[in-house]
Amino acid sequence: SQQGEEDPQALSIQEGENATMNCSYKTSINNLQWYRQNSGRGLVHLILIRSNEREKHSGRLRVTLDTSKKSSSLLITASRAADTASYFCATDPSGNTPLVFGKGTRLSVIA
Amino acid sequence: GAGVSQSPSNKVTEKGKDVELRCDPISGHTALYWYRQSLGQGLEFLIYFQGNSAPDKSGLPSDRFSAERTGGSVSTLTIQRTQQEDSAVYLCASSPLLSAKNIQYFGAGTRLSVL
Repeated sequence: SQQGEEDPQALSIQEGENATMNCSYKTSINNLQWYRQNSGRGLVHLILIRSNEREKHSGRLRVTLDTSKKSSSLLITASRAADTASYFCATDPSGNTPLVFGKGTRLSVIA
Repeated sequence: GAGVSQSPSNKVTEKGKDVELRCDPISGHTALYWYRQSLGQGLEFLIYFQGNSAPDKSGLPSDRFSAERTGGSVSTLTIQRTQQEDSAVYLCASSPLLSAKNIQYFGAGTRLSVL
């Protein structure tokens, strides 16, 4: 069964706006990762946040992690049309086992 | 170097036929994963290879599904007697498993259509 659940399922915004996607999970984790998938392509790793970290930045990406609430958020600032993709969170229970992916958030950035 | 390579990119088959999907992981990556993604859905774990250890087959949906990884490199996912519900994109990923950071690198997938 899938552990990560993203919210919302779909999000449509104007270019330049910020996009926030949320992920909830059920069990304890070693780390949580976010991936992007462009239509018809494989997934690309964006950012990893460890269970003892609360916030992490990478370029226009900001990820937060609240282990007490078992939730994470991905913020994309100043969105661009090229950010249009599906975004998945993936939880890693132990660091060397299969990741557990959510169903993803489909982000559409309108120019 | 080259990324994860999967072939074929598309496969159309008739119900009841067997299919083989191939994955070439990134050289040196010890871990290899197969996932299935149905239309508009997340990724469903199928099977995991790590070095010379016995594979984790816990995600395989039925005994019609099997996978091999020869020489710790190339992997083949075989689906026997395909059914229409097997239609999906099959994604392969590999990971170097450095510092217990299981960052996975994905191929573009094989889109399987069972008619």
